[in-house]
Amino acid sequence: QVQLEQSGAEVKKPGSSVTVSCRASGGNINNFVINWVRQAPGQGLEWMGGIIPTFGRIDYAEDFYGRVAITADESTNTVHMDLRGLRSDDTAVYYCARAGFCSGGVCQDFFDFWGQGTMVTVSS
Amino acid sequence: QAVVTQEPSLTVSPGGTVTLTCGSSTGEVTSVHNPFWLQKKPGQVPRTLIYGANKKHSWTPARFSGSLLGGRSALTLSGAQFEDEADYYCLLSYGDARLFGRGTKLTVL
Repeated sequence: QVQLEQSGAEVKKPGSSVTVSCRASGGNINNFVINWVRQAPGQGLEWMGGIIPTFGRIDYAEDFYGRVAITADESTNTVHMDLRGLRSDDTAVYYCARAGFCSGGVCQDFFDFWGQGTMVTVSS
Repeated sequence: QAVVTQEPSLTVSPGGTVTLTCGSSTGEVTSVHNPFWLQKKPGQVPRTLIYGANKKHSWTPARFSGSLLGGRSALTLSGAQFEDEADYYCLLSYGDARLFGRGTKLTVL
């Protein structure tokens, strides 16, 4: 059974950066498609981007270009999401999810496993 | 950037049937958009009910089904239960990117 464990809650000042980590167990992230999704208080779900480590492919949502970076560390089976230039409207719960699984060079999308969520609060 | 449209809110009676739909500002929603439907309750992690427009996960209650209908992606709930009251989100793929709809608040009343 795949499990995704995220790092703990963060409180950050405007203009600073935050890293949220997502450690996988029960499988190798190299075979996963990992996506990041966030939900601000009272708002809907927002897709931020994703990584497919086995292909070295990283995609970002237009709204986050230049502010977000997603990386994978295969040695720790962990995916990191860095968000910089934090603003108050970045206050949200951030989720990682296994969006898909790759085998034999082909990836299939499932969005089957989710991390528990990480609350990031941006406040002066 | 494309916009994914959903009904803001819908109400269904217990035991009733309701269809939630998801459209795209770019035109018809097709299998190329690889539609997902997710259920989100307050304080809980999102739960994916439907992937690939009409495929169910092992945990998806049988009363939920997905389809492509009239150029839109649809999630049909047949035999609504009080526990189905939640926000439902459609997720579409546009090439390398994905986009959520604003969600439909489903009330079971």
